[in-house]
Amino acid sequence: DTVLTQSPALAVSPGERVTISCRASESVSTRMHWYQQKPGQQPKLLIYGASNLESGVPARFSGSGSGTDFTLTIDPVEANDTATYFCQQSWNELTFGSGTKLEIK
Amino acid sequence: EVQLQESGPGLVKPSQSLSLTCSVTGYSITSNYWGWIRKFPGNKMEWMGYISYSGSTSYNPSLKSRISITRDTSKNQFFLQLNSVTTEDTATYYCARYMYTTGYWYFDFWGPGTMVTVSS
Repeated sequence: DTVLTQSPALAVSPGERVTISCRASESVSTRMHWYQQKPGQQPKLLIYGASNLESGVPARFSGSGSGTDFTLTIDPVEANDTATYFCQQSWNELTFGSGTKLEIK
Repeated sequence: EVQLQESGPGLVKPSQSLSLTCSVTGYSITSNYWGWIRKFPGNKMEWMGYISYSGSTSYNPSLKSRISITRDTSKNQFFLQLNSVTTEDTATYYCARYMYTTGYWYFDFWGPGTMVTVSS
């Protein structure tokens, strides 16, 4: 299985720029996708194919990376961005990262 | 808009089968692919499998001996059956549309999820 590693938690203030990382145990090309999950809700697709913004998602969200290292950037962060952010790869079967919990101070 | 809704028992006994239904509105399941994903307590998420527009299936190898995904196109529903469950199958179960665009596969619409507890 391709293991995706994410840092467990981050805390930032509104208006700041935050980067959330996801590292794959082997190359996944650009087959990396990002989801936002707020408490009690289903995951919401933010970014597909490493850098493509899903329709309707604010341009504050962006993604980058290829191979094994990927980043989701939120700039500027808003209070309602409090959520857990998951990465997911579709290059080798389908696996998810463990999620990064983002707290807005 | 595409909407998905999971339904099924919230409590299943160990060694029994877990059966869930995903009802889809706003889009035909005879197009695209449709999957099941689960989220365990502690946040780990696992892809379980999917069924295609033609009815073919693909399963996570770790579940292959226990899982079955089927569908009823007349009701626009697809189903999950997981056999011989243990307490480790306690999770929130989601159904989702598995979308293909320009070389990328991803889940673009999700149901709200249904929590299933395996306990005697």
